[in-house]
Amino acid sequence: NAGVTQTPKFQVLKTGQSMTLQCAQDMNHNSMYWYRQDPGMGLRLIYYSASEGTTDKGEVPNGYNVSRLNKREFSLRLESAAPSQTSVYFCATHPEGTTQMLYGYTFGSGTRLTVV
Amino acid sequence: GEDVEQSLFLSVREGDSSVINCTYTDSSSTYLYWYKQEPGAGLQLLTYIFSNMDMKQDQRLTVLLNKKDKHLSLRIADTQTGDSAIYFCAERDSGTYKYIFGTGTRLKVLA
Repeated sequence: NAGVTQTPKFQVLKTGQSMTLQCAQDMNHNSMYWYRQDPGMGLRLIYYSASEGTTDKGEVPNGYNVSRLNKREFSLRLESAAPSQTSVYFCATHPEGTTQMLYGYTFGSGTRLTVV
Repeated sequence: GEDVEQSLFLSVREGDSSVINCTYTDSSSTYLYWYKQEPGAGLQLLTYIFSNMDMKQDQRLTVLLNKKDKHLSLRIADTQTGDSAIYFCAERDSGTYKYIFGTGTRLKVLA
């Protein structure tokens, strides 16, 4: 089934540990995004990639790095995890083109990260 | 900067209508969206509306757009327990391809 796959689904880290969240899409889209979701704050954009080989900062990039490994994969790395990074992380993609904007985003099922 | 606002909670009885409201700031947004998030899952697109429309109906869902007031609403007729979820409105920033999400409204349907 076409879609967005995120791994892992759950993770507990100790403060200062590092980890990489993986995202892969098989929809052949150029754009990929990383969001974090916190209660009462909606979704906030961390980083995005408009195409293979490009990445840009979003609204809340501090403490994160990203890699657009190829067209399918977009990973998010926490180099030194902090309790403030406890959140649910979503990867998303959408098609390009004016007539395709009506399809909106396709989201992964999320990674629930707890930093203790 | 752009901001999209929603009330955080809504509680309705099964069979009643639900109305979820949203205000946005980018008057040049071309598309506006409603997403549904069920517990433990990602967001799924429910419906969308073009900025040149006032209303869109899709089965039990009715979307109303008031461009003058930058107000978007989602009405769910005959609300069912399966409609319990968080609902997000979103606008597409006219200057970029990024989407801006509201804070989400948690809908609780009481049996």
